[in-house]
Amino acid sequence: AQSVTQPDIHITVSEGASLELRCNYSYGATPYLFWYVQSPGQGLQLLLKYFSGDTLVQGIKGFEAEFKRSQSSFNLRKPSVHWSDAAEYFCAVGAGTGTASKLTFGTGTRLQVTL
Amino acid sequence: ETGVTQSPTHLIKTRGQQVTLRCSSQSGHNTVSWYQQALGQGPQFIFQYYREEENGRGNFPPRFSGLQFPNYSSELNVNALELDDSALYLCASSLLGRGYNEQFFGPGTRLTVL
Repeated sequence: AQSVTQPDIHITVSEGASLELRCNYSYGATPYLFWYVQSPGQGLQLLLKYFSGDTLVQGIKGFEAEFKRSQSSFNLRKPSVHWSDAAEYFCAVGAGTGTASKLTFGTGTRLQVTL
Repeated sequence: ETGVTQSPTHLIKTRGQQVTLRCSSQSGHNTVSWYQQALGQGPQFIFQYYREEENGRGNFPPRFSGLQFPNYSSELNVNALELDDSALYLCASSLLGRGYNEQFFGPGTRLTVL
C-alpha cells in the first residue's frame, strides 16, 4: 500500500526567505505525486502535480517541486516566501488510473511566515 | 464554470445519530470522491462513486455509505455516529478518463459529534 511521510510538522520562515517542504513516498509503481495547500477553513487547492517526464515541476504561486526516484522524494520549494503563503501543505500520492483513483495524503506541514 | 460545492458548512450531531452530507460536483465531472480529515491529520480516502456505483473504498466501516445521483452530485451518509467521526469531510470531483483524473476539492463540511 502507498504511504506519504512529511517529516516536518511545523516550519517557520521569514518573508522573502526560501522554502523547502519535504515529502517522501512509498509506492510500488510509478507514482502520481501532488502538492496541495489548505488555508484555514478552506478546502484543498492543487499547487502542482507530477505524472511523468521532466522531474522538475512548476506550479502555481511560484512553487516548484522536484521528483527524485532514487530518494523517493518530492520536495516542494519556493525561492521567496510571501506572508500569504502561510497555510497547511499536503503532499499526496495517487493510486490507480481511471478507476478507483484515490489520493493518499501525508499528515501535512504547517507553514508560518514571519514579517 | 461552477466549482465543487458542499452543504452544510457546519453540522453538530450527537453520538448514535445519523448524518447526510451533500456534494455537487464541478460542471462536466462524472466522479465524486469523499475524504475524511481529522484535526491535525491529512485527508483519508473514504470511497469514490462513478456512474452511481461505488468505485473503490478506503478503510472505513459499512456505516459510511454513499450515493451518486444522475446529475453526478453525491451524498455521504454516516450511521451510528461516534465521537471519532468528528472531522472535516471533503468532497472531490473529477472526470474519469484516460490517465490520471485530477481531483478538485470542495470547501468541506465540518462535522462535530458530541
